[in-house]
Amino acid sequence: GENVEQHPSTLSVQEGDSAVIKCTYSDSASNYFPWYKQELGKGPQLIIDIRSNVGEKKDQRIAVTLNKTAKHFSLHITETQPEDSAVYFCAANPPGTYKYIFGTGTRLKVLA
Amino acid sequence: DVKVTQSSRYLVKRTGEKVFLECVQDMDHENMFWYRQDPGLGLRLIYFSYDVKMKEKGDIPEGYSVSREKKERFSLILESASTNQTSMYLCASRAGTASYEQYFGPGTRLTVT
Repeated sequence: GENVEQHPSTLSVQEGDSAVIKCTYSDSASNYFPWYKQELGKGPQLIIDIRSNVGEKKDQRIAVTLNKTAKHFSLHITETQPEDSAVYFCAANPPGTYKYIFGTGTRLKVLA
Repeated sequence: DVKVTQSSRYLVKRTGEKVFLECVQDMDHENMFWYRQDPGLGLRLIYFSYDVKMKEKGDIPEGYSVSREKKERFSLILESASTNQTSMYLCASRAGTASYEQYFGPGTRLTVT
């Protein structure tokens, strides 16, 4: 079955710097890759997603890139702000299923 | 906006008790999910329901059951709570096969003593 690995598990950056979180997946047929942000005491919220027919997607300071050949996708946050501090999860949606397979999460700390 | 609510934010139960966790969504979504979140393990799927009265096991269904009698409500049941079921439980919903996005509730932190 599908397996998703996420790195790093923790990441500290200075305010204004960029942050990159990487995920790899095992099922080459997976076709949808969302990223979730979870703030303390809250449920995960979808921040950006990408489908397998697209290589890159951007939304203001957040971007996601997908390399289907290498089976990895990455979250890029530019000009980080303290409010970006949270746990970020990647996920993959195997074809023909309802479910997501989640990575283990990255705790991002943005230092003011 | 999609709203997914969970009946309790914090819950403390004793070993052997029967525990009910309730989830309600207000967007007429077809699919609903229960996940368990543990540090270092991410989110793991317990059960999901693709329609009323329909359910399928996820990756870690042992010790849990579910009920979906109405479209908007999905319940997770711990038949006999054990200490290894202490965790954060997250409910999610999705519109249906035409949509990929899952929307999560705020979570219920369950402690079994």
